[in-house]
Amino acid sequence: SQTIHQWPATLVQPVGSPLSLECTVEGTSNPNLYWYRQAAGRGLQLLFYSVGIGQISSEVPQNLSASRPQDRQFILSSKKLLLSDSGFYLCAWSVHRRTEAFFGQGTRLTVV
Amino acid sequence: GENVEQHPSTLSVQEGDSAVIKCTYSDSASNYFPWYKQELGKRPQLIIDIRSNVGEKKDQRIAVTLNKTAKHFSLHITETQPEDSAVYFCAASMDALNFGKGTSLLVTP
Repeated sequence: SQTIHQWPATLVQPVGSPLSLECTVEGTSNPNLYWYRQAAGRGLQLLFYSVGIGQISSEVPQNLSASRPQDRQFILSSKKLLLSDSGFYLCAWSVHRRTEAFFGQGTRLTVV
Repeated sequence: GENVEQHPSTLSVQEGDSAVIKCTYSDSASNYFPWYKQELGKRPQLIIDIRSNVGEKKDQRIAVTLNKTAKHFSLHITETQPEDSAVYFCAASMDALNFGKGTSLLVTP
């Protein structure tokens, strides 16, 4: 069966520090991968999605970037965090772009 | 990209009543419309979905309807129970799932 791992679960980082959140999927090949941010009152905001290694699409301009160095690994990064980057970050995967997405446990990021 | 609007943002019903959540989408190319339920502190999980070649789908107490012409779809929960209390998200997919802002449903005994 397929599983998705996302870590860490919680993270407190100072303003201006770098960020790296990692997500891996097991039990499937060539998944579509997604990063979402959930802030209060804004629902699930799509940040990035990837249909293959090295292929990243960005949905909103921001202080974040994403990379997919391996088929089942998706990384969310920032060189310098802002206060506004605080939120709940969710990684997800799907078999195809128009099928059910399965979410990881999420990372609660607090920038102080 | 796709823009999904969801209403209402909060909904309170009495146990046994029905609840209806409505969403609209902007891109007529979207053809997959899932609904997710997120309980407090947990990840969103799919409860029902519908594709654009279907107008209605039902699964026990949950049903979803889709009007492609008007570009809106709705979630209907009948005979609500306290355990239905959660945040519900609709989504529309063209290249990736774009979600609405969520509806916080409270079912009071």
